[in-house]
Amino acid sequence: EAQVTQNPRYLITVTGKKLTVTCSQNMNHEYMSWYRQDPGLGLRQIYYSMNVEVTDKGDVPVGYKVSRKEKRNFPLILESPSPNQTSLYFCASSARGTGGRETQYFGPGTRLLVL
Amino acid sequence: DAKTTQPPSMDCAEGRAANLPCNHSTISGNEYVYWYRQIHSQGPQYIIHGLKNNETNEMASLIITEDRKSSTLILPHATLRDTAVYYCIVRASAGGTSYGKLTFGQGTILTVHP
Repeated sequence: EAQVTQNPRYLITVTGKKLTVTCSQNMNHEYMSWYRQDPGLGLRQIYYSMNVEVTDKGDVPVGYKVSRKEKRNFPLILESPSPNQTSLYFCASSARGTGGRETQYFGPGTRLLVL
Repeated sequence: DAKTTQPPSMDCAEGRAANLPCNHSTISGNEYVYWYRQIHSQGPQYIIHGLKNNETNEMASLIITEDRKSSTLILPHATLRDTAVYYCIVRASAGGTSYGKLTFGQGTILTVHP
């Protein structure tokens, strides 16, 4: 089954304790990205990757890092989490296409609480 | 990418058609209209997209006006499971740094009631 998986699904941590949220897709997609969703602010892009070893900042990259060493994986790293990073996080992937066919597939989400 | 305007909420009776409007008056010639939905904090789900012709798939129909300044997503026979936030997104096709990026607005909360 084609899917995007994220782990963990729920995480409670404390300020300053490094954490990684993993994202994996089995569709051989070139493009992957991370979004965060907050009440009243909607979904905002954090980082994206157009292919292996190619990453770039989205709209809200401060406090986050990513890496893309393999095509299928795109982990999100919070080196020193702070309470304002408490949010619902989504990973997404899409194939390179034309004619508007770059539809995105989203993971189930990771709910993070930073105390 | 062009901005979109959607009503904040709509109601629909189960079994009836749900018609969700979207205004995108500043849309450019190379920009597509996409619709996604999000069911209660799950990951957004792609529904349909189009450029200028009307489109239909197993989930919905998309009607785009001739001037492309607005569109309507139609769920022909809404069910309770269609209760969700529906996002209308306008973006250009592949190429450049905007590749793949979706800019989500606030969307329309569709409530389907029995």
